Amino acid sequence: DGGITQSPKYLFRKEGQNVTLSCEQNLNHDAMYWYRQDPGQGLRLIYYSQIVNDFQKGDIAEGYSVSREKKESFPLTVTSAQKNPTAFYLCASSIFRTAEAFFGQGTRLTVV
Amino acid sequence: EDKVVQSPLSLVVHEGDTVTLNCSYEVTNFRSLLWYKQEKKAPTFLFMLTSSGIEKKSGRLSSILDKKELFSILNITATQTGDSAVYLCAVGVMIKAAGNKLTFGGGTRVLVKP
Repeated sequence: DGGITQSPKYLFRKEGQNVTLSCEQNLNHDAMYWYRQDPGQGLRLIYYSQIVNDFQKGDIAEGYSVSREKKESFPLTVTSAQKNPTAFYLCASSIFRTAEAFFGQGTRLTVV
Repeated sequence: EDKVVQSPLSLVVHEGDTVTLNCSYEVTNFRSLLWYKQEKKAPTFLFMLTSSGIEKKSGRLSSILDKKELFSILNITATQTGDSAVYLCAVGVMIKAAGNKLTFGGGTRVLVKP
């Protein structure tokens, strides 16, 4: 089945620790995105990548880092520099010239 | 800075009612406007609109875009409890090398009571 897989679904970490969220897609999509969603709010763009080995900061990139070494994979690292990391993180992908994005099931990160 | 605003923030209706959700935007390099439904986790795609005045329909849901006034509406007729969700509006903007990125509004939470 084609789709986007995010892992893990739930993640607990202690304050000050870096944590990496996984996102893999087998849709052969060029573009991949990371969004953050806080309770009762919409999605805010963290990072996006249009092609392998290239990525751009979104609106709230501070405290996050990404890599795009393979077309299928776009991991997100939440670093200790992120002041309020507890949130729901969504990964998405799309065909390069199309805005329609498909989403993974999300990772809920809780930092204690 | 690109901005997408949805209204109302939330609403409660009874089964059979009709709801109208609003989305206004201010962006540069507009390419498309999209509606998503989010029930628990992953938003699921509903519509993509690129042309003004052309209504898109899918069952009881319909949507239209006005590129002159910079807004879109999403209508749900004969609502059912399964329509309870957060509805997200997103605007696709063109970025370098003809790529896209989506800017989302804050969402409208719809609760349909039996």
